[in-house]
Amino acid sequence: AQSVTQLGSHVSVSEGALVLLRCNYSSSVPPYLFWYVQYPNQGLQLLLKYTTGATLVKGINGFEAEFKKSETSFHLTKPSAHMSDAAEYFCAVSEYTGRRALTFGSGTRLQVQP
Amino acid sequence: GAVVSQHPSWVICKSGTSVKIECRSLDFQATTMFWYRQFPKQSLMLMATSNEGSKATYEQGVEKDKFLINHASLTLSTLTVTSAHPEDSSFYICSARDDVRNTEAFFGQGTRLTVV
Repeated sequence: AQSVTQLGSHVSVSEGALVLLRCNYSSSVPPYLFWYVQYPNQGLQLLLKYTTGATLVKGINGFEAEFKKSETSFHLTKPSAHMSDAAEYFCAVSEYTGRRALTFGSGTRLQVQP
Repeated sequence: GAVVSQHPSWVICKSGTSVKIECRSLDFQATTMFWYRQFPKQSLMLMATSNEGSKATYEQGVEKDKFLINHASLTLSTLTVTSAHPEDSSFYICSARDDVRNTEAFFGQGTRLTVV
């Protein structure tokens, strides 16, 4: 069984400040890990993913995340927040075999203050 | 590439009627598609896994007879909400896994269903 915990349902940062969204996972097998962004009344857009290889993953819009197996974490960061980053962010995990359905965290709403 | 089109984007229906939602992979083949439900300000909950040419796999607690899933081709899956009730009002999102680039699934834009 898999699960995802996102610490902090709401995060507020100032424009230009560091963005840090936390994600911890639980999986009995090596996981695939994902970060998605959702704007109101829209589907999900993939920001980045970790499958194998390099543990520091770079995604779109300046986001990156680091897979830390020892900490079972996959935190999302961005050095400098932009107003357009305000959205809902979901961390997700899937197994690397089988049907590989995604299990989502509860989401973190990011607010960016001017 | 990797576009998933979901239609309609929103629908209002009367209690007791049925509503069909389509999920199409436009530029790739998808043997496997997934249907999620999202309540306001909540996360996505997997409802069922749709498999081309075979029966869907439903998650525990999801009524098979209420949420009918058909995956008749490698590019189309449909979700039919039968005998809809107001409590079925929700945001429904599909995703499709590219059979070639199978490390990720791509999401449709979602369907807002309101049952009155």
